[in-house]
Amino acid sequence: SQTIHQWPATLVQPVGSPLSLECTVEGTSNPNLYWYRQAAGRGLQLLFYSVGIGQISSEVPQNLSASRPQDRQFILSSKKLLLSDSGFYLCAQAQGPSYEQYFGPGTRLTVT
Amino acid sequence: AQSVTQLGSHVSVSEGALVLLRCNYSSSVPPYLFWYVQYPNQGLQLLLKYTTGATLVKGINGFEAEFKKSETSFHLTKPSAHMSDAAEYFCAVSDPRYSSASKIIFGSGTRLSIRP
Repeated sequence: SQTIHQWPATLVQPVGSPLSLECTVEGTSNPNLYWYRQAAGRGLQLLFYSVGIGQISSEVPQNLSASRPQDRQFILSSKKLLLSDSGFYLCAQAQGPSYEQYFGPGTRLTVT
Repeated sequence: AQSVTQLGSHVSVSEGALVLLRCNYSSSVPPYLFWYVQYPNQGLQLLLKYTTGATLVKGINGFEAEFKKSETSFHLTKPSAHMSDAAEYFCAVSDPRYSSASKIIFGSGTRLSIRP
């Protein structure tokens, strides 16, 4: 069965610092990959999705970017963090026509 | 356009009571529907899904949901609540405009609390 790893689990960063969050998937090949954000007390916001290596679609214009350098690796980055970037970041994967997505354990980001 | 509405941002029930979490959707095509559960500081876990076939879907932890096309609803139920059911629950619908990307649209979530 597929497993999703997210690193780090928690992160505290000052405003203006760079960011790199990593997501890796095991047990599957050529998955669709997603980055979501949950602000405190809010629902899920889709940030980026990817249907293949190097293919990134952005849902919300902001100071974040995503990359997919390998089939099962998805990276979320920022050059300069804002206070509003604080939240719980979730990586998910899906495969096949049934649409169901499977989520990683998440990364809690606090920007101070 | 596809959308999901979860009625009630917070539901509180007594232990042993019926759990009913409401979800209504809009979709221009036959939808795929999902319920996810999220425990504090964890990722989302798929509870159950409806794709085609039987409209009553059984999931994990004793939950089930019924797809009612005429009511555009997919309510989640559990006959007897347990303290461990306290969590955030999300309803979601497939977005057929993005079938190759398997995009789904999430509701805003319902927080379920269980009273002893």
